[in-house]
Amino acid sequence: AQKVTQAQTEISVVEKEDVTLDCVYETRDTTYYLFWYKQPPSGELVFLIRRNSFDEQNEISGRYSWNFQKSTSSFNFTITASQVVDSAVYFCALPEPNTDKLIFGTGTRLQVFP
Amino acid sequence: DVKVTQSSRYLVKRTGEKVFLECVQDMDHENMFWYRQDPGLGLRLIYFSYDVKMKEKGDIPEGYSVSREKKERFSLILESASTNQTSMYLCASSFLAGDRASYTFGSGTRLTVV
Repeated sequence: AQKVTQAQTEISVVEKEDVTLDCVYETRDTTYYLFWYKQPPSGELVFLIRRNSFDEQNEISGRYSWNFQKSTSSFNFTITASQVVDSAVYFCALPEPNTDKLIFGTGTRLQVFP
Repeated sequence: DVKVTQSSRYLVKRTGEKVFLECVQDMDHENMFWYRQDPGLGLRLIYFSYDVKMKEKGDIPEGYSVSREKKERFSLILESASTNQTSMYLCASSFLAGDRASYTFGSGTRLTVV
């Protein structure tokens, strides 16, 4: 069965701290995609990254980086030098085969204090 | 970039009204989805469509119907709105193949039924 686990319900940090959001997944597929989304208080789901299971290279985009470890079924997200604008709920997600229905984790609420 | 547009950010409707939520995507994606998001329940799939005039029930289709007359437009219909349909509604479109894979959400519609 497809499953995404985000064990951290809420994380609070002070501005400029680094923070890592964990994502562990289960899938019966040998090839798959993984996604991270940001949901600010306004409610929209903002796409952050898509990872294809073929590609295990880590990715960096500005202050954001992602560590994909196929051996441990994890796809963790790190924000370096966090800012108040990073405050949001972050979701990790995995599509279900054949339907493309997204299986979401329960989300991690990140609060960055000035 | 794929753009998914939802016609309204906020809607207030009366119990018993027929409500239409409109969603348009501009990237010729075959797959489109309607989710609702409620506190404590996460994101749940209402309906999805993988082609024009095709539709499939998601996890919570009761009280809803959908229409897909054109590839770019996917409408969610509340036949007779009820207060328990007060929620955040998110539309998405997807293309999951190769390097152009994407899964993009609209900005959401906060519906209040009074």
